[in-house]
Amino acid sequence: GENVEQHPSTLSVQEGDSAVIKCTYSDSASNYFPWYKQELGKRPQLIIDIRSNVGEKKDQRIAVTLNKTAKHFSLHITETQPEDSAVYFCAASMGGGFKTIFGAGTRLFVKA
Amino acid sequence: EADIYQTPRYLVIGTGKKITLECSQTMGHDKMYWYQQDPGMELHLIHYSYGVNSTEKGDLSSESTVSRIRTEHFPLTLESARPSHTSQYLCASQPQGYGTEAFFGQGTRLTVV
Repeated sequence: GENVEQHPSTLSVQEGDSAVIKCTYSDSASNYFPWYKQELGKRPQLIIDIRSNVGEKKDQRIAVTLNKTAKHFSLHITETQPEDSAVYFCAASMGGGFKTIFGAGTRLFVKA
Repeated sequence: EADIYQTPRYLVIGTGKKITLECSQTMGHDKMYWYQQDPGMELHLIHYSYGVNSTEKGDLSSESTVSRIRTEHFPLTLESARPSHTSQYLCASQPQGYGTEAFFGQGTRLTVV
């Protein structure tokens, strides 16, 4: 079955710096890669996603890149702010009746 | 309002008790999940359902059961609660199809004493 590995498990950056979180997946049939943000005491919520027919997608300060050959995808946050502090989860899915598989999460701390 | 609801939000219960955590969604989603999550940590899949009467065990399923008799309802039962079950339990739902978003409930925080 699908396996998603996520690194690093913890990331601490200074406000204004960039943050990068990386994930790898095992099943080449996976074709949808969402990212979820979970703030302290809240539920995970989708922040951005990318489909297998796209290499990069950007939404204001966040961007995702996908390398299908290497089975890697990454989340990039630029000009980080304290409110970006949260746990970020990557995920991979194949659609249909297959379940979405989540990475182990990255705890991002943005220091003011 | 279309959403996914979990009850209770908080539960303190004695060891050995049988408990059922409720999860309902009003979005007509076919896929539903139960996760166990300690604060800020990994989402551990307990059970997954891809439709009525279809369920699949996850990594942590051995001490719990689920049922999916109706599309909107996916309860999780712990037959005999133990202190090691103390955690947060998150329910999620997701439409069938390619590239669909998963929606999470607000969670049930369970403490077994």
